Amino acid sequence: EIVLTQSPATLSVSPGESATLSCRASQGISSNLAWYQHKPGQAPRLLIYGASTRVTGIPARFSGSGSGTEFTLTISRLQTEDFAVYYCQQYNNWFQYTFGQGTKLEIK
Amino acid sequence: EVQLLETGGGVVQPGGSLRLSCTASGFTFRNYAMSWVRQAPGKGLEWVSGIRDNGASTYYAETVKGRFTISRDNSKETVYLQMRSLRAEDTAMYYCAKAPTGGPLQLPSGGLLGWLDPWGLGTQVIVSS
Repeated sequence: EIVLTQSPATLSVSPGESATLSCRASQGISSNLAWYQHKPGQAPRLLIYGASTRVTGIPARFSGSGSGTEFTLTISRLQTEDFAVYYCQQYNNWFQYTFGQGTKLEIK
Repeated sequence: EVQLLETGGGVVQPGGSLRLSCTASGFTFRNYAMSWVRQAPGKGLEWVSGIRDNGASTYYAETVKGRFTISRDNSKETVYLQMRSLRAEDTAMYYCAKAPTGGPLQLPSGGLLGWLDPWGLGTQVIVSS
């Protein structure tokens, strides 16, 4: 099983600043990685797939990078609606998916 | 608009059974694989099961293999998750999600199409005596 390790577990940032979230895979997964945003009481929302392709309608302040085992989600100019839990997901093998444990992005 | 609606959750005793349903609308259901993902209280997301477009292939996480069965009825645009021998650790919100393709598809670049989008709002399952 491919293990995804996200860091940090919690990130405190002020609105208007930038946030950098990391996701490390236990083995190489090429660019087969997605990022999701999850708020309480809502469905998880896909932000990024293919490690760096932003979903239509997702603001340009969200960007993803990386390949292999190291991945990053960067959110610039944080807005209040961006504070949520973020998960990475690997799909390197069809329907043998795993998620990271999540990073909680909170208002400083 | 693509929508997924999960139903069937509830409270069940350990060792009991429950069947979850996810009804889809807004897309050609028979052309897409579907998946179930769960979130235990205070925990992260855990992929549970998947089924390809024609229902011919099913996939499970090791934690539920042999106890859960995924199936679909394309005429009803519904995917199911039959859960048996339920344990306290199966307590979670269960989400249904749509795959981007009907089955495994590798791009010329070597990339796969395995993200999940969209997701439903979930249905709560509580396993407790």
